Amino acid sequence: GEDVEQSLFLSVREGDSSVINCTYTDSSSTYLYWYKQEPGAGLQLLTYIFSNMDMKQDQRLTVLLNKKDKHLSLRIADTQTGDSAIYFCAESIPGGKLIFGQGTELSVKP
Amino acid sequence: DGGITQSPKYLFRKEGQNVTLSCEQNLNHDAMYWYRQDPGQGLRLIYYSQIVNDFQKGDIAEGYSVSREKKESFPLTVTSAQKNPTAFYLCASSIGQGVAKNIQYFGAGTRLSVL
Repeated sequence: GEDVEQSLFLSVREGDSSVINCTYTDSSSTYLYWYKQEPGAGLQLLTYIFSNMDMKQDQRLTVLLNKKDKHLSLRIADTQTGDSAIYFCAESIPGGKLIFGQGTELSVKP
Repeated sequence: DGGITQSPKYLFRKEGQNVTLSCEQNLNHDAMYWYRQDPGQGLRLIYYSQIVNDFQKGDIAEGYSVSREKKESFPLTVTSAQKNPTAFYLCASSIGQGVAKNIQYFGAGTRLSVL
């Protein structure tokens, strides 16, 4: 069945770049998404990429998609303490549903 | 101000009690979803509805029930049959099925605990 995998934790220093990785299994996914969740809050859409694209850049965020390896990454440039949160990768599947990864907890140290 | 409103923010359930979590959206979205979030397990789909008066079970529907009588509203009832209800519950909505870029927008969540 469909599955999305992420590493659970990432720790970086303020000002460094963060790279959060994700692998997915459904080759028919049309869109892939990155969401951010701050403590005790809902999920906020950060960015998304269409499956026929390799890269998308949006200010400090860069999404890279390797469709052959079914690998998605989110790079956050100049990471700030306010970027500390849980980041979820999600793939769309037929029928309108999303499959979410377990989430990567990003900790940014001053 | 468009969005998704979940209430209450915190909810406590006694043994054997049914409780209902509210989810309302004013985005004119056709589709609505309920997820359960447990630490380290990501989001698991409980129920979803693509259109008014219709809904489908997700991956973990046992012990839960829903209704979709109005487009704006998709309440979730946690029944006494759900033996481990303590979790963070998230409601989402999207434009609907048939749209490739079917972005889901989330409410702020309800934290349910057992007394």
